Amino acid sequence: GAVVSQHPSWVICKSGTSVKIECRSLDFQATTMFWYRQFPKQSLMLMATSNEGSKATYEQGVEKDKFLINHASLTLSTLTVTSAHPEDSSFYICSAIPLDSYNEQFFGPGTRLTVL
Amino acid sequence: KQEVTQIPAALSVPEGENLVLNCSFTDSAIYNLQWFRQDPGKGLTSLLLIQSSQREQTSGRLNASLDKSSGRSTLYIAASQPGDSATYLCAVTFNDYKLSFGAGTTVTVRA
Repeated sequence: GAVVSQHPSWVICKSGTSVKIECRSLDFQATTMFWYRQFPKQSLMLMATSNEGSKATYEQGVEKDKFLINHASLTLSTLTVTSAHPEDSSFYICSAIPLDSYNEQFFGPGTRLTVL
Repeated sequence: KQEVTQIPAALSVPEGENLVLNCSFTDSAIYNLQWFRQDPGKGLTSLLLIQSSQREQTSGRLNASLDKSSGRSTLYIAASQPGDSATYLCAVTFNDYKLSFGAGTTVTVRA
């Protein structure tokens, strides 16, 4: 149980285009999901907290107009990277907390974004 | 701001040896501590979750201890196998559910 999926697993896009990444909790419901990014050989950096039915909370230094987050249901959160640039190339990982857990977070497999 | 430190940054051992991975954190008012495994280019797999009221958790060959007062956790992996080669991350959370991660320890188990 507690499986989180992400789609796509990897994406290559041209500079200036927008890319949407989906995060789904497959076998549980989650009111809270998180989005992280990870640079090579570095640890995860929290970007934002996604709450079902309300606006996302962004960490300091993360541009909310560039990284749009929508949490429309208890099993789906989306991250849209708008007007992507090469510096947005990174590994994006989401996580979710099941409603009945002790705040244990379960992570998706990640999405590799490469902006040309 | 919570800081999480993991020592060593990298570790290489022969197969069969026990692994000891250390994690320290600066603020002892944590809600829980979680150990993860990450394979190259992959997401995170949760290994063990220790609540702040607990002192240790065990799962198979894995055992994690928590000493809140000293701000430390240790992950023990018994009888290491080549399949244990990965990066191990520890992370702490407060009641806002946000995880603060260490930089990880990259483990190589030599056959």
